[in-house]
Amino acid sequence: EVQLLESGGGLVQPGGSLRLSCVASGFTFSNYAMTWVRQAPGKGLECVSTITASGGSTYYVDSVKGRFTISRDNSKDTLYLQINSLRAEDTAVYYCAKAPRSSSSYNYFDCWGQGTLVTVSS
Amino acid sequence: DIQMTQSPSTLSASVGDRVAITCRASQSISGWLAWYQQKPGKAPNLLIYKASSLESGVPSRFSGSGSGTEFTLTITGLQPDDFATYFCQQYSIYPWTFGQGTKVEIK
Repeated sequence: EVQLLESGGGLVQPGGSLRLSCVASGFTFSNYAMTWVRQAPGKGLECVSTITASGGSTYYVDSVKGRFTISRDNSKDTLYLQINSLRAEDTAVYYCAKAPRSSSSYNYFDCWGQGTLVTVSS
Repeated sequence: DIQMTQSPSTLSASVGDRVAITCRASQSISGWLAWYQQKPGKAPNLLIYKASSLESGVPSRFSGSGSGTEFTLTITGLQPDDFATYFCQQYSIYPWTFGQGTKVEIK
């Protein structure tokens, strides 16, 4: 069974940092691009960052460029999101999501984790 | 960024009804569109990709159509399990973007 399990969320003060992790199982992790998608409470979905299967290319939405860093360790079947300089508007459930292909092109998401909540508040 | 606009925002329907949700893109995305279902407290679940391709395991009462800038998700014979929120997503140009969601409620 294909599974994604996020962790690392929590309550953090504005300006703080967190590292989110997503452990994959049930498929060959190194063959697929991965994306972090967030959802603010009661709001819609926002694609935050994407990494290709090899980890060689990364992409970010403008609102997080320079603050968020996506990475992966294919030997550990794990995806990461380092989030720095957190703002109140970063408060959201963060999901990791699997693409059906290795490249960053034309990605929809055929598997999602359960999400991890990041709350930015003083 | 490509803007995705869904209508309606809320839809009230009864079990057995045929319902349709529309998603419009701010520019042409060819057929690069997916539909997801989300229930409260859960992650989204893929229903349709490439505008009209049914994901494996998804009931055939779900169907998708459209191309370019206008797309439709149709549920034929609404079931109790279908009351949820539905999102469209374009994956033509990065950043991939989602519609704001359509909540399907019990009438």
